Amino acid sequence: QAGLTQPPSVSKDLRQTATLTCTGNSNTVGAQGAAWLQQHQGHPPKLLSYRDGTRPSGISERFSASRSGNTASLTITGLQPEDEADYYCSAWDGPLSAWMFGGGTKLTVL
Amino acid sequence: QVQVVESGGGVVQPGRSLKLSCAAFGFTLSNYAMHWVRQAPGEGLEWVAVIFFDGTNKHYADSVKGRFTISRDSSKNTLYLEVNSLRDEDTAVYYCVKEATTSGGGFDIWGQGTVVTVSS
Repeated sequence: QAGLTQPPSVSKDLRQTATLTCTGNSNTVGAQGAAWLQQHQGHPPKLLSYRDGTRPSGISERFSASRSGNTASLTITGLQPEDEADYYCSAWDGPLSAWMFGGGTKLTVL
Repeated sequence: QVQVVESGGGVVQPGRSLKLSCAAFGFTLSNYAMHWVRQAPGEGLEWVAVIFFDGTNKHYADSVKGRFTISRDSSKNTLYLEVNSLRDEDTAVYYCVKEATTSGGGFDIWGQGTVVTVSS
């Protein structure tokens, strides 16, 4: 099953802004958007944004999600040490009747 | 408190079977689409299966189709994943995940996971 494409790693300085991308196709990201998850080592993932880009209760405003065509983006402003984690995008593929995950981006805060 | 708790993992030989369970607390499992997602050691997330509200509409990843079966018992508010004909590559942490019904959806509640190790 075709998946979603994310850069394997991104490194940014403390207090800077990181933008993570997720590229799918017209059946996945282009159709209904992508949700974003954060996972710290040894812990289960946590939902950062729903497919429509809104944040669940309790998620910091420093995390914002958007979409342009078949590419979804997660922007993290004012990077903090605790933002260092793996980030995954996820989307539903209607024709395949399957959820897809990106391979994940490891964010390093320098 | 809304949460899910998985159980049933273990060490199993190739070709054998296991039945994973996921007990839901604080919500009615049958009102939501429920999923199993797995993560092999050092790897990313892999979606495994979903069961929709009606309980009969189910879908599987190609990698597990024909070997895994997702089901639920509404009276016990519990989700299951029966895993058969296990292979080395099925070794992973298996997460039970609730899908949100609002805002276009997304995996909003995750359990701590149960570990399945396939080894001879």
